[in-house]
Amino acid sequence: DVKVTQSSRYLVKRTGEKVFLECVQDMDHENMFWYRQDPGLGLRLIYFSYDVKMKEKGDIPEGYSVSREKKERFSLILESASTNQTSMYLCASSLPGTGIHEQYFGPGTRLTVT
Amino acid sequence: EDKVVQSPLSLVVHEGDTVTLNCSYEVTNFRSLLWYKQEKKAPTFLFMLTSSGIEKKSGRLSSILDKKELSSILNITATQTGDSAIYLCAVERGAQKLVFGQGTRLTINP
Repeated sequence: DVKVTQSSRYLVKRTGEKVFLECVQDMDHENMFWYRQDPGLGLRLIYFSYDVKMKEKGDIPEGYSVSREKKERFSLILESASTNQTSMYLCASSLPGTGIHEQYFGPGTRLTVT
Repeated sequence: EDKVVQSPLSLVVHEGDTVTLNCSYEVTNFRSLLWYKQEKKAPTFLFMLTSSGIEKKSGRLSSILDKKELSSILNITATQTGDSAIYLCAVERGAQKLVFGQGTRLTINP
């Protein structure tokens, strides 16, 4: 059974702080993704990674960076948090390859920036 | 710009009713359409559709893709309070990059 875990369920940070959101998956998946979910906008892709040390920008990468030093771990970094980054952040992972595979999601981190 | 639109955005019905949720898309390099159910936590996978006109079923839930109309529907028959959730439609546009709709919030009243 695939398990994707995220380091915090709820997080409150101040404007300007550096924020790290951690995601770990235990199924040896090559692909990992970070989304944010906002009411009325659905889930939007921030960054994704197909392999260790590899990253690609999604649809809304501005204000974010990522790190993938180990296969099972994908970190999302907010270099200087702003109030418009208050959101629910969801991590996902999936199998690699040219086939079509579903993505497995973590429980989410609700981040509030004050 | 790739776009996925779901309707309705919100729906309230009584237990036992049948509901139909809609998803339409405008996406380049379409590969598949996926439906997820999101209760309080992680979205959980329901269906993946790649071929037009072939219905996928799981218990009281079913879904079908129409590539000509660029749309999909998700049907739930004999609804139960446990079906209350946000239903997400997503389209894969190459290399597992998903674009999501806004979601439909379904509430089933006893």
